[in-house]
Amino acid sequence: DAKTTQPNSMESNEEEPVHLPCNHSTISGTDYIHWYRQLPSQGPEYVIHGLTSNVNNRMASLAIAEDRKSSTLILHRATLRDAAVYYCILRTSGSARQLTFGSGTQLTVLP
Amino acid sequence: GAVVSQHPSRVICKSGTSVKIECRSLDFQATTMFWYRQFPKQSLMLMATSNEGSKATYEQGVEKDKFLINHASLTLSTLTVTSAHPEDSSFYICSASKGDTINSPLHFGNGTRLTVT
Repeated sequence: DAKTTQPNSMESNEEEPVHLPCNHSTISGTDYIHWYRQLPSQGPEYVIHGLTSNVNNRMASLAIAEDRKSSTLILHRATLRDAAVYYCILRTSGSARQLTFGSGTQLTVLP
Repeated sequence: GAVVSQHPSRVICKSGTSVKIECRSLDFQATTMFWYRQFPKQSLMLMATSNEGSKATYEQGVEKDKFLINHASLTLSTLTVTSAHPEDSSFYICSASKGDTINSPLHFGNGTRLTVT
């Protein structure tokens, strides 16, 4: 899978929006952008994914840059339960379909 | 939503014994499941791809004779850690996808914390 770059850590105040950035400058035209998060001592949880257009679901929104070289995961109103490591991952056509995890962003939510 | 169940959630075993971890897709069939390992403060590392009805595909550096994978049905894959040693202590996580394309999300089990004494 193509490489992504994320900040190691971010902080947010409770009930405020959070924008988690991800750079993927080597993305190819058919790569999907996936986001997962992992709470302590749990398996990762699917958050959202997209290809070109911005995406919304009940958990978050995904804003994809026009050139697709970057994306932003938006949590509209952070809660303490959103404290987790967030992983931005590219899934590449022709790969074996597994996810290759980078180091992710540790999000701390302050009460 | 799709659910992947992993059992046990925690196991302690003595050095030299074997441990079996089960991964089940509860509400969908999965021809492919993935096994990951995670050491403290590190990211997930893919160990192997489990294929229903055929041999698993192991990542470089993962011993296939030590980490036995069986995917006997479309809803169950097992990982057996044979002759476990303390360095095998880790967090083992399985995952599966409802669909078979990169446009399908992966769903993960809650992991198995293995401690080898």
